[in-house]
Amino acid sequence: EPEVTQTPSHQVTQMGQEVILRCVPISNHLYFYWYRQILGQKVEFLVSFYNNEISEKSEIFDDQFSVERPDGSNFTLKIRSTKLEDSAMYFCASSEGVAGNTGELFFGEGSRLTVL
Amino acid sequence: SQQGEEDPQALSIQEGENATMNCSYKTSINNLQWYRQNSGRGLVHLILIRSNEREKHSGRLRVTLDTSKKSSSLLITASRAADTASYFCATDASTGGFKTIFGAGTRLFVKA
Repeated sequence: EPEVTQTPSHQVTQMGQEVILRCVPISNHLYFYWYRQILGQKVEFLVSFYNNEISEKSEIFDDQFSVERPDGSNFTLKIRSTKLEDSAMYFCASSEGVAGNTGELFFGEGSRLTVL
Repeated sequence: SQQGEEDPQALSIQEGENATMNCSYKTSINNLQWYRQNSGRGLVHLILIRSNEREKHSGRLRVTLDTSKKSSSLLITASRAADTASYFCATDASTGGFKTIFGAGTRLFVKA
């Protein structure tokens, strides 16, 4: 069964360092997302991406964050200068999208980011 | 915010009992979805109900949607220990864009 894959599963970084989290969405999906979940808390929307551009982004997704689909298969989230509060589990998701709605989201297993 | 809010925040039941979780939201929606998350894992889609539907079943799951009250419920019948997880409702805005927003979740613990 097709699945969303994420790497790395866990990354530890020093505050102020740049981090890139990688995702390979399901191949025929058109819509891509990043969410984050601070331990034990709610799943927060960061950004959605369609047709090679950002569709929606939340207040969390400030200038420190960027997304890219560099090669038609990978979908990356970059955090330019990490802060302690960026420590969280980051989930990538993709969906086919039906009639302009997101439809069912398929999630990866997440990348745990720890900022020291 | 269109975010769904679930209640209860936590629910503990015996195996074999039914579990009911509720979700309320604030704005018009295209659809409402329920997801499950095992501890430390990714979210898994359970069921999607469209705004023009009132009830939907999938195996031991039954979802209802009341758009007049902006609320939904998820019923898990004959619960099993393996149903222990967090359950989230998620709403898809009807105002364009691609943005599915998750509620805070209900932590369900099923005792064997």
